[in-house]
Amino acid sequence: SYVLTQPPSVSVAPGQTARITCGGNNIGSKSVHWYQQKPGQAPVLVVYDDSDRPSGIPERFSGSNSGNTATLTISRVEAGDEADYYCQVWDSSSDPVVFGGGTKLTVL
Amino acid sequence: QVQLVQSGAEVKKPGASVKVSCKASGYTFTSYDINWVRQATGQGLEWMGWMNPNSGNTGYAQKFQGRVTMTRNTSISTAYMELSSLRSEDTAVYYCARVWGESFDYWGQGTLVTVSS
Repeated sequence: SYVLTQPPSVSVAPGQTARITCGGNNIGSKSVHWYQQKPGQAPVLVVYDDSDRPSGIPERFSGSNSGNTATLTISRVEAGDEADYYCQVWDSSSDPVVFGGGTKLTVL
Repeated sequence: QVQLVQSGAEVKKPGASVKVSCKASGYTFTSYDINWVRQATGQGLEWMGWMNPNSGNTGYAQKFQGRVTMTRNTSISTAYMELSSLRSEDTAVYYCARVWGESFDYWGQGTLVTVSS
């Protein structure tokens, strides 16, 4: 089955740029989606189809995908961005939905 | 506005079954697939399966084959996920989520299922 690999944690100072990676074999050929999850809350879609934002998501959230790595970039990080972030793809294998293990973003 | 509202927390004994509901509103229930995802405390998201509310067709993750059943009642715009032969490792928050393209654009608030003797 397809595997997505994320770093367990990323730390960034307020106002700086956070980059969270999601690695997978030829992930550039797939559409990658990103979710933000704050403690005690359901996940929220922040980027879909590699780089599109749902309505209501700030422009500070952006995404890219190429080769074996997809990246979620959060510009001008705020304290309220502190959360767990998950990448997700739809694969052609028997279990079509795959999530990465999640990355905890800490705002210093 | 689109909402998915799930049933309340459950406590079950090992070997029992649990049925979680997910009531949709704000859109045409039969137009979007519903998936179920669970999350154990402190762990990541785990996909369980999908259901097409229009046809009733389903697909389940290999891990849950034989133990999970996803159904719906279109007259009340509600999806259900039943998990049987519960064990302690099934203690988790269970989410329903609406499919949009290949992503999940709306999620239920989650239902905590605790399996304990």
